[in-house]
Amino acid sequence: AQSVTQLDSQVPVFEEAPVELRCNYSSSVSVYLFWYVQYPNQGLQLLLKYLSGSTLVKGINGFEAEFNKSQTSFHLRKPSVHISDTAEYFCAVSVGIQGAQKLVFGQGTRLTINP
Amino acid sequence: DTGVSQNPRHKITKRGQNVTFRCDPISEHNRLYWYRQTLGQGPEFLTYFQNEAQLEKSRLLSDRFSAERPKGSFSTLEIQRTEQGDSAMYLCASSALDYGYTFGSGTRLTVV
Repeated sequence: AQSVTQLDSQVPVFEEAPVELRCNYSSSVSVYLFWYVQYPNQGLQLLLKYLSGSTLVKGINGFEAEFNKSQTSFHLRKPSVHISDTAEYFCAVSVGIQGAQKLVFGQGTRLTINP
Repeated sequence: DTGVSQNPRHKITKRGQNVTFRCDPISEHNRLYWYRQTLGQGPEFLTYFQNEAQLEKSRLLSDRFSAERPKGSFSTLEIQRTEQGDSAMYLCASSALDYGYTFGSGTRLTVV
């Protein structure tokens, strides 16, 4: 069964510093990978997704992620974070169901930006 | 296009009561999903509709849970005889194509 492991439950970073949020997946078939952000008491907003093609994916808010098949990883990066990036971040893999795809999420990483 | 709308945003109920949540997807989206998110966890898939047909249900969806999507438009999720373990955020998402999900803001249920 496909699964996702987010290696860090919390990541504290100073403002304007770079950050990497780690995600590893397990899958025996082709994978489609996603990063979502969740602000307090809100739903999920898509940051970026990898479906095929270039392994470096650029998303919104200056985030990017790199798909690494050999290491089964999809780490999220941002070169310089802002206070407004404080949120919960979820990595997810897509799993086929009847006529569609469902998402299997990791447990999340809480990113805290300190001034 | 006003996005995916969920009502109510918050619901507090006593154990044993029934509750119903509503999700209004983006109008042209034929696929609708329900997820449940407990504190400190990622969302977990509950069920999926394509138009009005419920095509997939998770084992998490016990007999006390039922979901409908009459006429393939809005959807309701009902929980009967609520238990404290049902306390969670219930998220709805819709899509027209694979991999293009839009999530609502969720309904936070607290069972006291």
